[in-house]
Amino acid sequence: ETGVTQTPRHLVMGMTNKKSLKCEQHLGHNAMYWYKQSAKKPLELMFVYNFKEQTENNSVPSRFSPECPNSSHLFLHLHTLQPEDSALYLCASSQSGRLPGTSGNFHNEQFFGPGTRLTVL
Amino acid sequence: DAKTTQPPSMDCAEGRAANLPCNHSTISGNEYVYWYRQIHSQGPQYIIHGLKNNETNEMASLIITEDRKSSTLILPHATLRDTAVYYCIVSRMNYGGSQGNLIFGKGTKLSVKP
Repeated sequence: ETGVTQTPRHLVMGMTNKKSLKCEQHLGHNAMYWYKQSAKKPLELMFVYNFKEQTENNSVPSRFSPECPNSSHLFLHLHTLQPEDSALYLCASSQSGRLPGTSGNFHNEQFFGPGTRLTVL
Repeated sequence: DAKTTQPPSMDCAEGRAANLPCNHSTISGNEYVYWYRQIHSQGPQYIIHGLKNNETNEMASLIITEDRKSSTLILPHATLRDTAVYYCIVSRMNYGGSQGNLIFGKGTKLSVKP
């Protein structure tokens, strides 16, 4: 148990379906992340939310739509996906804080959820 | 692209020390070395990180060379449950922007054998 939960753990959907992945963290962190892990490829960072604001969109197609309603919850809304989008989708969280005397944030180690195994038919 | 180089695979006998090397010859002065591992079909797990000095925690030890161009993760007494892909990542603490993001490479697949 890492303190980061993801639902559902497995999802099969057709190309015309709309579904959502949910992530919840119970660690009091204020930064959350979505990663994609395709077969035999490294983890790819998709989105970063810092203090509920999106700070990174790593050239992700618009058929993936993230939502971060509060610092504990992160969603990934899926629509009109393609078979090549089949992958393990991982959520992570970390503590992001402001260093005294600076205007920047820092990210400490990330805690990952177990992932959602997505299959697009 | 990942800024580290790791061997694709290694074997280790159960109960022996596992030493996993990582090259990061282009590391910047303000970049940390992070190690994560991913057991099959699970999310990655943080192991340890360091800047200059050697570090040790309950899971592992991290040895960083004096020039910081390479490091070694040491699992002192490997068990079968340590079989996983181990990722070495260099990353800044994020003082703004995306510099603090983790960029995963292909890692080293460690197989611990009885």
